[in-house]
Amino acid sequence: EIVLTQSPATLSVSPGERATLSCRASQSVSNYLAWYQQKPGQAPRLLIYDASNRATGIPARFSGSVSGTDFTLSISSLEPEDFAVYYCQQRINWPLTFGGGTRVEIK
Amino acid sequence: QVQLVESGGGVVQPGRSLTLSCAASGVMFSSYGMHWVRQAPGKGLEWVVVISKDGSNKYYADSVEGRFTISRDNPKNTLNLQMSSLRPEDTAVYYCAKDYGDHTGMLDYWGQGTLVTVSS
Repeated sequence: EIVLTQSPATLSVSPGERATLSCRASQSVSNYLAWYQQKPGQAPRLLIYDASNRATGIPARFSGSVSGTDFTLSISSLEPEDFAVYYCQQRINWPLTFGGGTRVEIK
Repeated sequence: QVQLVESGGGVVQPGRSLTLSCAASGVMFSSYGMHWVRQAPGKGLEWVVVISKDGSNKYYADSVEGRFTISRDNPKNTLNLQMSSLRPEDTAVYYCAKDYGDHTGMLDYWGQGTLVTVSS
């Protein structure tokens, strides 16, 4: 199965600053990688699909990019509601796999 | 809007069975694949299983293959997960999630989850 490694495990950022989250795949997933946001006690929410496409209703401050097997989620200017855990997920092969998550916390 | 509501969670002894359900509304249920994803307490997300829109294709995670069975009732807009031979490591919040298409692997809507606790 494809292993997704997210870094860092925790990211401390001040509101208004930029956050950059990484996800590395153990083998090629083409562009078939998504990012989800999960807040405490809530279900995950789809943010980005196929590496760089924002899901419906997702603000433009969220963006995704890819270079080979390295994927990046950027949040240009953190809002208070953006402090959460973020997961990447590949869909090129079954089983679907998720990264271990990055917690974005208030600095 | 799309709503997915899970039910059926609870406390169950190891080795016993439990069936979860997911009721869908606000969506043409029969047009989309559906998934179950679980999350152990304080842990990350683990994909469990997918079923295609007509129920003809199913893929399971190795950790549940042979113990869990997914099914769907399209006229009733309902997704089910029969879990047998439950183990303590199956303890988790179980989410149902809608696929963007048939079984593309893109999960665009999620329910709020139902907690399953496997303990003696």
